[in-house]
Amino acid sequence: GAVVSQHPSWVICKSGTSVKIECRSLDFQATTMFWYRQFPKQSLMLMATSNEGSKATYEQGVEKDKFLINHASLTLSTLTVTSAHPEDSSFYICRGVGTEAFFGQGTRLTVV
Amino acid sequence: GENVEQHPSTLSVQEGDSAVIKCTYSDSASNYFPWYKQELGKRPQLIIDIRSNVGEKKDQRIAVTLNKTAKHFSLHITETQPEDSAVYFCAASKEGGSQGNLIFGKGTKLSVKP
Repeated sequence: GAVVSQHPSWVICKSGTSVKIECRSLDFQATTMFWYRQFPKQSLMLMATSNEGSKATYEQGVEKDKFLINHASLTLSTLTVTSAHPEDSSFYICRGVGTEAFFGQGTRLTVV
Repeated sequence: GENVEQHPSTLSVQEGDSAVIKCTYSDSASNYFPWYKQELGKRPQLIIDIRSNVGEKKDQRIAVTLNKTAKHFSLHITETQPEDSAVYFCAASKEGGSQGNLIFGKGTKLSVKP
């Protein structure tokens, strides 16, 4: 059935490096992808909204040059955390929306 | 913009008892209110939702009530079981209903003691 597949599920990277997170919509087309960040014991906070073929819209306080979002097709959206720092360590999760809406599995990012 | 408040932040009940989690929202234009269950390190799972044209919805042991006038909605879990232990989030949306952006509450950690 329809689902959003997010990879990787967890990643550890060194400070200063970049990490790419992928969300693929399977058996449906995600015209919109919402990207959320969730710190421990906190709620999901919207980072940005991307529509296929358009530039992402970022929430206030989210650096667009640091969190690069690409939504080039109806089945793939990516979030790249550039020059990652320990404070970027968090749980990142996408939510693909088409005729239905599905969350990805989430990615636990740890920056050391 | 929309603001969703959720209470309590933690809730501990005995197996078999009922659990109630309450949320309030600020934007009267919100029209879709889902509830999610999230286990540690996993994606939120939609467990029930309600739209603004309905006052109550039930699915087996789970029910949601909506009071549009007071702008609050509640999740009711009856006959709780240990596997109900998780973090529960309420959310509200006004743009596109279930396909729109969701504003989440801060979550309630439910612990069901056997």
